[in-house]
Amino acid sequence: DAKTTQPPSMDCAEGRAANLPCNHSTISGNEYVYWYRQIHSQGPQYIIHGLKNNETNEMASLIITEDRKSSTLILPHATLRDTAVYYCIVRISMEYGNKLVFGAGTILRVKS
Amino acid sequence: IAGITQAPTSQILAAGRRMTLRCTQDMRHNAMYWYRQDLGLGLRLIHYSNTAGTTGKGEVPDGYSVSRANTDDFPLTLASAVPSQTSVYFCASSVEGATGELFFGEGSRLTVL
Repeated sequence: DAKTTQPPSMDCAEGRAANLPCNHSTISGNEYVYWYRQIHSQGPQYIIHGLKNNETNEMASLIITEDRKSSTLILPHATLRDTAVYYCIVRISMEYGNKLVFGAGTILRVKS
Repeated sequence: IAGITQAPTSQILAAGRRMTLRCTQDMRHNAMYWYRQDLGLGLRLIHYSNTAGTTGKGEVPDGYSVSRANTDDFPLTLASAVPSQTSVYFCASSVEGATGELFFGEGSRLTVL
């Protein structure tokens, strides 16, 4: 199973871009990279996912390196409400479906 | 729009008692999951169900059982609760297929004394 490595915490100034790195050097060719976040004690929230191309949606951008061994989640204009734990996950396939294995994540603190 | 509903939101339970955490989704998702979250350990998968009538074990299944009688409901049962099962429990669902985006409930905080 592919494993991810993230820094335990990061700070970001409000209004600036937050760049959250993730290493997944053992990722397989058919495994997706997912990003979720968890605000305070709420349930985790899906942000974005990708396979090999860069992706962008209304919440964030995902940049995946060409060798797929690492990726970066970018929140273009961080706000105080973006303070959360961010999880980088590589999807592990099961027999009939898929499961997500969550690591410790990165605590992002957005400061005014 | 309800999404995923968990009940109870919080419960204090004596050790040895039986407890069922309820989870209902109205999105007609095939797959459902139960995670527990403990400080410093992230979320760990307990059990999952890819479709009604089937279930499977996750990373930490011992002491827990699940059933999936229909698409909407996925209850988690602790037959005889122990203090180490004190945790926050999250139910999730997803559409079976390539994207696999999970939708989570708001969690059930369980304290076993």
